[in-house]
Amino acid sequence: SAVISQKPSRDICQRGTSLTIQCQVDSQVTMMFWYRQQPGQSLTLIATANQGSEATYESGFVIDKFPISRPNLTFSTLTVSNMSPEDSSIYLCSARDIMYEQYFGPGTRLTVT
Amino acid sequence: TQLLEQSPQFLSIQEGENLTVYCNSSSVFSSLQWYRQEPGEGPVLLVTVVTGGEVKKLKRLTFQYARKDSSLHITAAQPGDTGLYLCAGATDSSYKLIFGSGTRLLVRP
Repeated sequence: SAVISQKPSRDICQRGTSLTIQCQVDSQVTMMFWYRQQPGQSLTLIATANQGSEATYESGFVIDKFPISRPNLTFSTLTVSNMSPEDSSIYLCSARDIMYEQYFGPGTRLTVT
Repeated sequence: TQLLEQSPQFLSIQEGENLTVYCNSSSVFSSLQWYRQEPGEGPVLLVTVVTGGEVKKLKRLTFQYARKDSSLHITAAQPGDTGLYLCAGATDSSYKLIFGSGTRLLVRP
């Protein structure tokens, strides 16, 4: 199994600023993903982080708002840009291993004031 | 559009009781994963089941998957079983997991 770490674990940010979340996996994985989750609810896929190329975004999410990088097989970042209170949520990094099993980081709890 | 509906949405039971959580699909997935998420943590993978009537046991948890529907049965629930249970389906043609709506379980001591 893959162990995933994220930082920061939580942050409180002001409207209009940006936050970059880092995700590190302890082993090489085939795919990395970013999700958003409201407390107690299910997960919404933001995008698939592609190594060395632009991320693939889901409907309703755009690169200007959520730029993503994946410079190598085990590291990715998600930036939440020009934040508003509606961006307050839990952001989760996820990775899939060669056995097609998918693992999650502990999440980053973001509050925008 | 492939959908995964979980039921019940919320379940509150006494320690020691048995329960079953359901995950019903609008189509067939090649495999289905079950996760448990505790407050303040990310989802933790419990098991992967594959179509064909597979049954897997993980201590007090029994997972079944048949064609479109899956279930998770917990025997003699413990307060440590409290959490959000999520099912997620994968298809051969898509690399993306489709997540269910989730079941929130509270086991009272």
